[in-house]
Order: sequence, then C-alpha cells, then structure tokens
Amino acid sequence: NAGVTQTPKFQVLKTGQSMTLQCAQDMNHEYMSWYRQDPGMGLRLIHYSVGAGITDQGEVPNGYNVSRSTTEDFPLRLLSAAPSQTSVYFCASRRGGGETQYFGPGTRLLVL
Amino acid sequence: AQSVTQLGSHVSVSEGALVLLRCNYSSSVPPYLFWYVQYPNQGLQLLLKYTTGATLVKGINGFEAEFKKSETSFHLTKPSAHMSDAAEYFCAVSDRGGGFKTIFGAGTRLFVKA
Repeated sequence: NAGVTQTPKFQVLKTGQSMTLQCAQDMNHEYMSWYRQDPGMGLRLIHYSVGAGITDQGEVPNGYNVSRSTTEDFPLRLLSAAPSQTSVYFCASRRGGGETQYFGPGTRLLVL
Repeated sequence: AQSVTQLGSHVSVSEGALVLLRCNYSSSVPPYLFWYVQYPNQGLQLLLKYTTGATLVKGINGFEAEFKKSETSFHLTKPSAHMSDAAEYFCAVSDRGGGFKTIFGAGTRLFVKA
C-alpha cells in the first residue's frame, strides 16, 4: 500500500491565484482530513470528511474548499491564495472507529 | 473544549541521557491521547497512543508515556537518547467514542548532542 499520498510536494503561488492540493489514500479509510502546520502552532484542522459526499469545517476553514466524491480522494482547494496561507499542508486518514491517523508527506506552499 | 500544552518548544539532551517531553491536556471527557514524531521534511508518524487500559504505554523506538488522570498529563520519556531521536514531537488529544477532531500541541523539538 502507498498509504496517504500528496501532490505536489512544493508549490509557489502569487497572491490571488487558485490551486488544488491533491490527497489520496489506498487504505479504504472513511475519515480524511486536512491540516496546516505553522511554526509554534502545531497542526490545525482545516476541513475533514467522514465519508464520500460528507465534509465539514475544522478550526481554520476560511479560504479553503473541499469535496469528497470518492473514498480515496480528498482534494483541498485554495480559492484565492493569500500570503497568510503560506504553510505546510498535511492530509491524514483513518478508518471509522479507529484512533490512529495516517499522515501524508505534506505539501509546502509559499504564497508571494 | 479540549486543549493540549507542551512545555518547552525546544529540549536539548546529550546522547545517552534521559528524554522527557512534557504534555498536559484539558478535556471534559476521558480522552484518547497520542504522541506523534515528525522527522525533517516528513509527515507525522504515530509514536504511541493511550485509549484505555494500562496507563503506561510503550511505543516505537523505546519511547513510553504514562497517562496520569489526576495530573492531566501524558509525558513522553525514553531512558537513553540516541542521535536518531532528533525530531519534532507532538502531543495530541481527541474525544472517545467516535469524536473526530484531534487537537495537537504546538510541538517540542528535540535536539540530541553527541
């Protein structure tokens, strides 16, 4: 199993541009989530999904959209990038009823 | 609301010395507790977790943590540090019984001196 994969690894955007961060998992996990990691702040939950077609907001959802059309994929869309969205983004998944989250390798985003 | 406090953003130990990373949490219900490790330019990897049962939990790479309800703590320890332990460590808490949201601490970066 590849586990949780994320693309791209690194991206530079200009303010106002849009883009989609990709996340896929091959473990048939029901739950998937997106976090951002900023220095001194740990990981903060952006959006999460408990199954295909079901998503909800986390702690810091503004400026981001998600959808979950399949169990495997959970893309994160930045609608109009801002410098405050410069961060490292992690996708994670876990099985329903399980406790352990499995993390992808991350996407480092720089917004100029 | 749940919260996690990790005491010390940076901890430095000598190789072979005891590692102690502190974590305190607040939760209105008995929580699940986790320690994750992040090596440079990588994602987070589960080190150990407490869900129920024995309060002393053993994890990978010789780490262990003890859940102390009376102190609302879940400190991470390792008797003898190795150079390869240098990484960032995150304590996290989540609800029991299907609650989804996991709250992470700010992280503690561990430095190991030769």
